[in-house]
Amino acid sequence: AQKVTQAQTEISVVEKEDVTLDCVYETRDTTYYLFWYKQPPSGELVFLIRRNSFDEQNEISGRYSWNFQKSTSSFNFTITASQVVDSAVYFCALRDSNYQLIWGAGTKLIIKP
Amino acid sequence: SQTIHQWPATLVQPVGSPLSLECTVEGTSNPNLYWYRQAAGRGLQLLFYSVGIGQISSEVPQNLSASRPQDRQFILSSKKLLLSDSGFYLCAWSLSGTGQPQHFGDGTRLSIL
Repeated sequence: AQKVTQAQTEISVVEKEDVTLDCVYETRDTTYYLFWYKQPPSGELVFLIRRNSFDEQNEISGRYSWNFQKSTSSFNFTITASQVVDSAVYFCALRDSNYQLIWGAGTKLIIKP
Repeated sequence: SQTIHQWPATLVQPVGSPLSLECTVEGTSNPNLYWYRQAAGRGLQLLFYSVGIGQISSEVPQNLSASRPQDRQFILSSKKLLLSDSGFYLCAWSLSGTGQPQHFGDGTRLSIL
């Protein structure tokens, strides 16, 4: 069965610290897609990144980077030099042969000034 | 570019009253459309999805229903609201095809009194 686990319910760091959000997934499919979304306090969900199972290259976008490791079924998200505006709930999600997204429970990230 | 509009932003309704939430997408044709519910402090639960006009799939048995009267219009309804229907409702769209990311509206905060 498909499953996404975000074991960190809440993380609190001081501004400018680096922080990594963990995501572990389960699927029997060889073809699948992984996603990260950000939900700021205002509520809307913002798409951040999509990764397919055949592309294990790590990705960097500004202060954001993603580490995809199939060997450990993980797709971790790192924010470098965190800022207060990064405070949000972050969701990891999986889509395989099933049509719908399987969502993690989310990690609430608090960046203190 | 594509945009998604969802309204109203907030809604307070008495128990037993009807509900109609509307979502429209612009800038694309034949999108997949989704309705999610998010309880406070929790992850997302898929309620309905649609791959075309008049085609609705329900994920969770409940007193809610969805309709897609036009290609880019998705409506969430209820004849009689329950207290348990309170939550944050999100509409999303995606291009058809495997692995396409979903893009979300701003959401509707529904409170049942």
